[in-house]
Amino acid sequence: QITLKESGPTLVKPTETLTLTCSFSGFSLSTSGVGVGWIRQPPGKALEWLGFIFWDDDKRYSPSLKSRLTITKDISKDQVVLRMTDMDPVDTATYYCAHSSDFWSGLLDYWGQGTLVTVSS
Amino acid sequence: DIQMTQSPSSLSASVGDRVTITCRASQSISNYLMWYQQTAGKAPKLLIYDTSSLQRGVPSRFSGSGSGTDFTLTISGLQPEDFVTYYCQQSHRTPWTFGQGTKVEI
Repeated sequence: QITLKESGPTLVKPTETLTLTCSFSGFSLSTSGVGVGWIRQPPGKALEWLGFIFWDDDKRYSPSLKSRLTITKDISKDQVVLRMTDMDPVDTATYYCAHSSDFWSGLLDYWGQGTLVTVSS
Repeated sequence: DIQMTQSPSSLSASVGDRVTITCRASQSISNYLMWYQQTAGKAPKLLIYDTSSLQRGVPSRFSGSGSGTDFTLTISGLQPEDFVTYYCQQSHRTPWTFGQGTKVEI
């Protein structure tokens, strides 16, 4: 049974760095084809893909956010960490981590419950 | 980035209706198209992958078709729990991108 859960601050100040952790179980991020990444959704708006890290340590980022994003994995802890610098109120959103069982297909078959991050002074 | 355009942005329907949602890509994405269902306040749920493959456990009233740039999600016989929001997503190239969503309302 695959599960993912996001954790981190619910409130950050403008210009601060956001660090979110995705803790997962039921699969290994060492398995060929598997990836874990981040998608966000501002209140009342659409989903936005942020980036993914894959079994072979390949990392893909949204070009519009690439300069601010870092995604890393800790295989021993079954965790993936998102770091986003220079936070702004427009970054207020629910942040989801998601599992992809097949890099070549790109499907997102398991999702965490999401965590709402508010950016405000 | 590949842009995904969904239409309509919202639609009104009744229980038992057949509805179709369209997703258009800004360039050919072969069959790398997924559909998700999202209930308010919840994470999206994968319905269909690779354009037309039904995810395990998803009712057969959901179906997908298309190729290249034009894709459709069809729900045959709307049930009360289907009145939520649907998103398409392409995975032909990163960044994987989503459509803006279609809200199905009573």
